[in-house]
Amino acid sequence: KAGVTQTPRYLIKTRGQQVTLSCSPISGHRSVSWYQQTPGQGLQFLFEYFSETQRNKGNFPGRFSGRQFSNSRSEMNVSTLELGDSALYLCASSLRTGNANYGYTFGSGTRLTVV
Amino acid sequence: AQRVTQPEKLLSVFKGAPVELKCNYSYSGSPELFWYVQYSRQRLQLLLRHISRESIKGFTADLNKGETSFHLKKPFAQEEDSAMYYCALSNTGGFKTIFGAGTRLFVKA
Repeated sequence: KAGVTQTPRYLIKTRGQQVTLSCSPISGHRSVSWYQQTPGQGLQFLFEYFSETQRNKGNFPGRFSGRQFSNSRSEMNVSTLELGDSALYLCASSLRTGNANYGYTFGSGTRLTVV
Repeated sequence: AQRVTQPEKLLSVFKGAPVELKCNYSYSGSPELFWYVQYSRQRLQLLLRHISRESIKGFTADLNKGETSFHLKKPFAQEEDSAMYYCALSNTGGFKTIFGAGTRLFVKA
């Protein structure tokens, strides 16, 4: 079956612009999480969506937002980009039943560079 | 608050030697713990979950609630085990998983 698909793979944006990243989870996975990965901070949790609802959120400013659609696909948006937003953004999907967490399947990421 | 600590950034062992990657956590509830691995030029992937108590690629990990640890062990390291390893902690209900900083394992021939 197809894995987690993230588009685009690479993006270069200018400070002040906004960007939207897309993630298609594995078929049947209703949970989608987003992470920011940088060499200095490692993997930082952004948010997790389940059944179109944001269930939890990390310590990021309000410029970072996301949503999930009825087909479980998810998008994240970053507005008013700053140089420090340059990072690899990872999406992960998970099969969930009740509160059970079966672990994540990760996408290959979107590399965002802000200049 | 959830916290995961992997004290070693780099661990270098010889092929055939035992390996232990350390992970300590802080969480007031009932945690779910995971190990993830990232091989060179590959995606981050799940290695094992504490709740399933399985052995994957010869690796095992035991949850020690008294010491709040979840160390990853393998009795005989192989060169193909060289990779970045991340310990992860999920909160009760599981809608937030945080990762440690990672340990790079290098297995020398």
